[in-house]
Amino acid sequence: QLVLTQSPSASASLGASVKLTCTLSSGHSNYAITWHQQQPEKGPRYLMKVNSDGSHSKGDGIPDRFSGSSSGTERYLIISSLQSEDEGDYYCQTWGTAIRVFGGGTKLTVL
Amino acid sequence: EVQLVESGGGLVRPGGSLRLSCTASEFTVSDNFMTWVRQAPGKGLEWVSVIYSIGTTYYPDSVKGRFTISRDNSKNTLYLQMNSLRAEDTAIYYCARDSFTGGIDYWGQGTLVTVSS
Repeated sequence: QLVLTQSPSASASLGASVKLTCTLSSGHSNYAITWHQQQPEKGPRYLMKVNSDGSHSKGDGIPDRFSGSSSGTERYLIISSLQSEDEGDYYCQTWGTAIRVFGGGTKLTVL
Repeated sequence: EVQLVESGGGLVRPGGSLRLSCTASEFTVSDNFMTWVRQAPGKGLEWVSVIYSIGTTYYPDSVKGRFTISRDNSKNTLYLQMNSLRAEDTAIYYCARDSFTGGIDYWGQGTLVTVSS
């Protein structure tokens, strides 16, 4: 069964870096995922796609502070030089032929 | 600029029906895989349905048999027909586009559906 697991919360200081993790279920280590940001009271926004080889491609207008990487069944979103507007919920998403799957989301607090 | 604009949300009684629309700009709906996603109050994102460019559709068990995704190519518009609505269907409904290489790459702003007596 295709499942994505995310930690419910994360925090980091203004100007620091943070690494969010999305874990694919066993047997799905070759799957790509996408990351999406949801700022408070707003709709989701596509950030990037992260492939199993660690390569990533970002959406239009996404700052260079956002990057992605991969290791085994883990897919990462790295945000450097944290700003106050980075606070919000971050969701990973993947897909199969007959299914779309979302992780439970990570709430990021910028201290 | 790619845009997705949802409409059709509102208040409906349990057991009722509602049809959501999503009008696309700057790309052709029928050339892409299109997805509906919902978010219940205070909860995470939940996949609701997908339609492929060839017209194949898929649904999770939570809405299968009650919801129908479709499109009107002449209007470049995606639809979600929702029947037998339940209180647990209350959510903001977003339409989204899948990129050609997979995964959602654009979102609409969402439309609120409230199921309550």
